[in-house]
Amino acid sequence: DADVTQTPRNRITKTGKRIMLECSQTKGHDRMYWYRQDPGLGLQLIYYSFDVKDINKGEISDGYSVSRQAQAKFSLSLESAIPNQTALYFCATSDPQGSDTQYFGPGTRLTVL
Amino acid sequence: GQNIDQPTEMTATEGAIVQINCTYQTSGFNGLFWYQQHAGEAPTFLSYNVLDGLEEKGRFSSFLSRSKGYSYLLLKELQMKDSASYLCAVTNAGNMLTFGGGTRLMVKP
Repeated sequence: DADVTQTPRNRITKTGKRIMLECSQTKGHDRMYWYRQDPGLGLQLIYYSFDVKDINKGEISDGYSVSRQAQAKFSLSLESAIPNQTALYFCATSDPQGSDTQYFGPGTRLTVL
Repeated sequence: GQNIDQPTEMTATEGAIVQINCTYQTSGFNGLFWYQQHAGEAPTFLSYNVLDGLEEKGRFSSFLSRSKGYSYLLLKELQMKDSASYLCAVTNAGNMLTFGGGTRLMVKP
């Protein structure tokens, strides 16, 4: 079984709809992250959480919110989706012990019409 | 702020060696990662450098020079499955990752 899972894997929605993307991990890592990736571009950090009570904005948090329901679960919400939020979304986890390497989920492809 | 530069695309031949360069400017450098990403898939961890020098891991090696703000990823004995994007990422003092735009490598027969 995969260590980091994301649901749904694909989603098509309409402008103005509220969307939630979910991430779960079995790695036992405290740190979790949400990134978006646009075609041909690098990953941009949306939000991150270093433990259940810690939520921080990344470089592109406008239009997004998150919830850390448990150590293993970190959800990303788009309150009112717009077409320029069409992208590939990745969740990642890391363990601050050692190199703090981030491990990524399989991604969610979101299309906003 | 952080600035990371790497070539957009490279082409190489199966069986050859290719070097992908990455230069960075950052405040509070903590380490440098290389990830491999096949189209539409998740980035997967390749290497981590925190000290100057070469780290070798099978066919892949990564080099870091902190004084020059420079790293490279060396891929030997290229295989068709190595066709992918290679992402350079730098961590700052807060352990936050900043990614470069990635280098798309195409391996030809």
